[in-house]
Amino acid sequence: EPEVTQTPSHQVTQMGQEVILRCVPISNHLYFYWYRQILGQKVEFLVSFYNNEISEKSEIFDDQFSVERPDGSNFTLKIRSTKLEDSAMYFCASSERKANYNSPLHFGNGTRLTVT
Amino acid sequence: GNSVTQMEGPVTLSEEAFLTINCTYTATGYPSLFWYVQYPGEGLQLLLKATKADDKGSNKGFEATYRKETTSFHLEKGSVQVSDSAVYFCALSDRESGGYNKLIFGAGTRLAVHP
Repeated sequence: EPEVTQTPSHQVTQMGQEVILRCVPISNHLYFYWYRQILGQKVEFLVSFYNNEISEKSEIFDDQFSVERPDGSNFTLKIRSTKLEDSAMYFCASSERKANYNSPLHFGNGTRLTVT
Repeated sequence: GNSVTQMEGPVTLSEEAFLTINCTYTATGYPSLFWYVQYPGEGLQLLLKATKADDKGSNKGFEATYRKETTSFHLEKGSVQVSDSAVYFCALSDRESGGYNKLIFGAGTRLAVHP
């Protein structure tokens, strides 16, 4: 069964550094998402992306964050200058159409980001 | 605002025991409700879903009924197996809060089943 893949599984970076988290969504999916989970807290929506532009973002997704689909297969999340509080598990997801009851989100395994 | 509250874990059970994981929600509209599961080392997988009051979602022996009167969507399974050990997330989506793509999750409940 096709799946969403994320790399790396774990990334350690120093505060202030830029980091790029990578995702390969399912190939025929058109909508892409990033969620994150700070340790011990809830999974939170960050951003959704369709047709090469952000369709919705949360208040967490400030100017330090950006997303890009650089080619036909990858979907990336960039954090420009990481802070300690960015340490979290980041989940990428995709859906075939705008996610609804019949077009659910498919999640990747996540990238654990640790900012030191 | 919309929110989901789950019972805290971990929940530890013996194989073949009955499982209940409580989930209650707060929503301004008419949400759809979901249970996602995360097995060790894997991503979130949709387990079951329900879109309106009194709907029952079911999959792999798990069930949950959408109860509007108690704003609940408790997950149940009659006889758990060791392979059910995972983290379970209750979630809702509500068109008024941005559509189905914007899921609102609970904190997750870890289930550990031992032989």
